[in-house]
Amino acid sequence: SQQGEEDPQALSIQEGENATMNCSYKTSINNLQWYRQNSGRGLVHLILIRSNEREKHSGRLRVTLDTSKKSSSLLITASRAADTASYFCATDEGANNLFFGTGTRLTVIP
Amino acid sequence: SQTIHQWPATLVQPVGSPLSLECTVEGTSNPNLYWYRQAAGRGLQLLFYSVGIGQISSEVPQNLSASRPQDRQFILSSKKLLLSDSGFYLCAWRESILGEQYFGPGTRLTVT
Repeated sequence: SQQGEEDPQALSIQEGENATMNCSYKTSINNLQWYRQNSGRGLVHLILIRSNEREKHSGRLRVTLDTSKKSSSLLITASRAADTASYFCATDEGANNLFFGTGTRLTVIP
Repeated sequence: SQTIHQWPATLVQPVGSPLSLECTVEGTSNPNLYWYRQAAGRGLQLLFYSVGIGQISSEVPQNLSASRPQDRQFILSSKKLLLSDSGFYLCAWRESILGEQYFGPGTRLTVT
């Protein structure tokens, strides 16, 4: 099995700045999903990007996928204090399981 | 729209006591259901998944078991809790293997 790995482990930015988080994985995937988790809460699904897609947008979120480099990035533009959370990528190999990394802890300073 | 419920939200149990966590999904039929555990500051570990009533697959040998008595109900159980069972337990569902997966609010279990 393989697991997504997020980078950096922690990120601290000022409100209004952009935040970029990266995810790397090791084997072929069908899709990759990004999640947000506020402290002590469940995971909120953000975006699913399929292996044949290169970029997707949702509001202030932009996700890219480079299957040749086995990597994905999540960009949050014009960050807000409410974006403070942990962000996880999860890879789907089609084996009825998602493989999660340990996450990036984002802190947005007002 | 679909909704997923988990209860209880928090639970403190002594070592050796039994456990029953429940998860239900509304607004969908025949979902794939999952139980995950998240240790503090860590990623998620898949414990069990189910593709249908009575069908349970275990990913990690452990002190826990799962059951799916109804289409949209998934239960996580233990006969005797261990200290190492403490953690944040999350139930999740999705309609198809390659679709979006959605999580419940989680149960914080502390075994004392």
